Amino acid sequence: RKEVEQDPGPFNVPEGATVAFNCTYSNSASQSFFWYRQDCRKEPKLLMSVYSSGNEDGRFTAQLNRASQYISLLIRDSKLSDSATYLCVPNFNKFYFGSGTKLNVKP
Amino acid sequence: NAGVMQNPRHLVRRRGQEARLRCSPMKGHSHVYWYRQLPEEGLKFMVYLQKENIIDESGMPKERFSAEFPKEGPSILRIQQVVRGDSAAYFCASSREGVNSPLHFGNGTRLTVT
Repeated sequence: RKEVEQDPGPFNVPEGATVAFNCTYSNSASQSFFWYRQDCRKEPKLLMSVYSSGNEDGRFTAQLNRASQYISLLIRDSKLSDSATYLCVPNFNKFYFGSGTKLNVKP
Repeated sequence: NAGVMQNPRHLVRRRGQEARLRCSPMKGHSHVYWYRQLPEEGLKFMVYLQKENIIDESGMPKERFSAEFPKEGPSILRIQQVVRGDSAAYFCASSREGVNSPLHFGNGTRLTVT
C-alpha cells in the first residue's frame, strides 16, 4: 500500500462552490500532516499544517480522522486562483508526497 | 529571510555531460531534501541530507547520481553522464530540526538533456 493516496481528480467546480478532497495515509504513527498546493510547473507551497484534529485558515479547513487514517481539505467559496494541485504529506515520513488532487475552478 | 535558493533555474546539457544542481537551504534549516518531478507526475523523493551526512538515499538511482551537503556551502545534486530520461524538474526543500517542521521548497531547476 502506498504511504499516501489521493484521488487525482480533476475536480472541476464553478467559482463560489465548496469542494473537499481526502488524503489517506498508511502509517498510523503519523502525528501531523501538511497540505501543499502546486501550480503548474512551479514549486509546492505550504498551505496548512495539521497538528491535531484539524486546522482552519480563512476559506480552508483541514480535518484529521485518525480512526480512518485520512485527512481532508475543504475549500469554501472557491476562487479561480484556487486552481492548482493539492498535495498532502505526513510528518512521519516527509519524503513521500501524495500524487496530488487537481482542482479546476471555472468562471 | 531568504527562502530556499536553487540555481540554476534552467540547465541544458548534452547527453553524456555532467549536471550540477545547487541548493541553499533557508537560514536556520539543517535538513535538505531533493525531489524529481516529470511532467504531469508527482514529486519523487530522491535523497535526504543533513550537514555532511546522507540520511536516506533510497530514492536515488544507484548509478550516475550523487548528492552532498558539505559543512560550508550549498547542497549539490550531481548527475554524471546525463541521458534524455534525466530531463525533469528537480526541487530542493529544507526544514528545521523536528518532525513537525514542514518543508519549504526552492523554485526548482529545470534540466533539459538534448
